[in-house]
Amino acid sequence: DTGVSQDPRHKITKRGQNVTFRCDPISEHNRLYWYRQTLGQGPEFLTYFQNEAQLEKSRLLSDRFSAERPKGSFSTLEIQRTEQGDSAMYLCASSLGTSGILGANVLTFGAGSRLTVL
Amino acid sequence: DQQVKQNSPSLSVQEGRISILNCDYTNSMFDYFLWYKKYPAEGPTFLISISSIKDKNEDGRFTVFLNKSAKHLSLHIVPSQPGDSAVYFCAASPISNFGNEKLTFGTGTRLTIIP
Repeated sequence: DTGVSQDPRHKITKRGQNVTFRCDPISEHNRLYWYRQTLGQGPEFLTYFQNEAQLEKSRLLSDRFSAERPKGSFSTLEIQRTEQGDSAMYLCASSLGTSGILGANVLTFGAGSRLTVL
Repeated sequence: DQQVKQNSPSLSVQEGRISILNCDYTNSMFDYFLWYKKYPAEGPTFLISISSIKDKNEDGRFTVFLNKSAKHLSLHIVPSQPGDSAVYFCAASPISNFGNEKLTFGTGTRLTIIP
């Protein structure tokens, strides 16, 4: 297992186009997260899956954004009608999760998919 | 509302000396704190964590200190090495019984180790 894989690594698109990013998590991890990082900021939470169920969505995730994890394995993040403000690094992470007594929920991140909207 | 704050955007330290990175938080519900390191063109990599029931956790050259009353934590790296040059993010999460705690990140501190 080579860790969390994201594809494509870089996508350049014109405003108004749709884009889709794919994330392959570590195989034994049942939790999958999408974060967004813009210049000079830390990663910001977008959404989270436990297996195939999407359990939480940030208010940052407008209705142009949709994420799926159809079989509880890989996930896709689609952005419809892209805007210049969507330009960012989209990071995927996975984890085993833990109950509070077992320790911190350590997320393993992929290298990210950088989106540039012209 | 920035719940996790890293007020120093950058820090330069000479090789062999101690690097101290600071982080403040505002949310009293945070119970775990993590430090991540990020190199260019890579995703953040987990470095070390600490639970709110402890005030110190050490792993090799890396030590994290937590002052819960001040809502402040710091990462000490000693001795600093050129490979430590990276952006360091502080992150925090609450405890839940579901194990789905999302991390809230600070804005990061760029550490440069001068040979």
